[in-house]
Order: sequence, then structure tokens, then C-alpha cells
Amino acid sequence: DTEVTQTPKHLVMGMTNKKSLKCEQHMGHRAMYWYKQKAKKPPELMFVYSYEKLSINESVPSRFSPECPNSSLLNLHLHALQPEDSALYLCASSQGGQGRVGTGELFFGEGSRLTVL
Amino acid sequence: AQSVTQLGSHVSVSEGALVLLRCNYSSSVPPYLFWYVQYPNQGLQLLLKYTSAATLVKGINGFEAEFKKSETSFHLTKPSAHMSDAAEYFCAVTSSGGSNYKLTFGKGTLLTVNP
Repeated sequence: DTEVTQTPKHLVMGMTNKKSLKCEQHMGHRAMYWYKQKAKKPPELMFVYSYEKLSINESVPSRFSPECPNSSLLNLHLHALQPEDSALYLCASSQGGQGRVGTGELFFGEGSRLTVL
Repeated sequence: AQSVTQLGSHVSVSEGALVLLRCNYSSSVPPYLFWYVQYPNQGLQLLLKYTSAATLVKGINGFEAEFKKSETSFHLTKPSAHMSDAAEYFCAVTSSGGSNYKLTFGKGTLLTVNP
């Protein structure tokens, strides 16, 4: 069983909808990540939060809005998405945050499969 | 800068045969290296990792990998393939600098296992 929990597992939304993806971990990790994965491709990094502060934004369009309410939760708010945004969205966490030495291992959730109509 | 090259986007083996998935990396600093497995419609699961300790790393499900600095390689092997090993495998590298662990993934290798 994964220790990173993502909800919902599947989401279908129209281009005018507003929805959110949620991610939760209780491993005490201080870095959390959003990745986007298209079919038959590796995951692409979107955002990194370190100690609840946005640390990395990989030039993601503003229709994706991340939020980290506390050290265990990570949200991805979605608004006015395009059909090409349909993908598997993966959340991950790791032990260290900015400046912390660790092994760099990421723990992934099972993902949220998003379809934009 | 760092990068990963996985040779072969698709590898097909017979059940019971040796599995060899190739990964070469490029990194200007000592790397941390990982192999992740992804089953259909699931997230990524760590198979094994190299973090500058033993160069021969053993992972889950009978997989192992050897870090060879001279060849900048971290190939994944398993002596005997099982049907349940069919999945996508990603090699990844990050630097041992201790910051936010920005992983660089290879393009992946799809492993199929034939009965």
C-alpha cells in the first residue's frame, strides 16, 4: 500500500470547470511534489513545495494552481483546463526539504487520472 | 546538468529468462541513482537506489543493479523473469547536493514477459 494518498483516482471535467486534486502523506516528509505524466512518457515535474513553501515552479500555466495548507497536504487546483491537460497527475513526497541532506528518494501516490473534455 | 539515457524503449523476454534493462547517466557531481517501476494505471514504485554506498544494489522483487562509475552506467538485472514483472521501468538521477531532489527521469523501458 502506498503511503501517499491521492484523491480522486479519476476525474472528468469540462474546460470551464473548477476542480481540485488532493494529496496526503503522513510520513513526516517536508518536501512534496506534483508531476504530470502523459501516456508512454516519463513524469514531468510541475511544482515542488519545501516546508510548505513553493520552491520550484517549472513554468506551469496559471490554470494549474498548487497549494500546500500544511506539511501533510498538497492540493492542485484546476481551472479552465484544455484537452491537452488530460494526463495522470502524480503526487510525491520526500524526506528532506531545501538544504536538507537525504537520499533523494521520492514516494509516489497512485495518481489521479484527469480527462478534460 | 544531469541526464539519463535508457537504451531500448521496449524489451521483450521469455518467462524465466534474464532481464537486463540499460541505463546510462550523466552528472557533473556524484549522483544518486534510482530505478522505479510503474504498473498500468498506477504510480511509481521504487525498486532500488544507489546513494554512494555499495556499488551492487539489491532491490525488491529480485532485482539488482550495479553502479559502474567508469562506464557511467546503472543497469537493472533480474536472473529470471516472471510474468508479474511486465511493467514500465524508469531510471532516474539526482545530485547528492541535498536540496530538493529534482529527479531527472529516463524515457522509460517497457518490459514485456512472454509465457
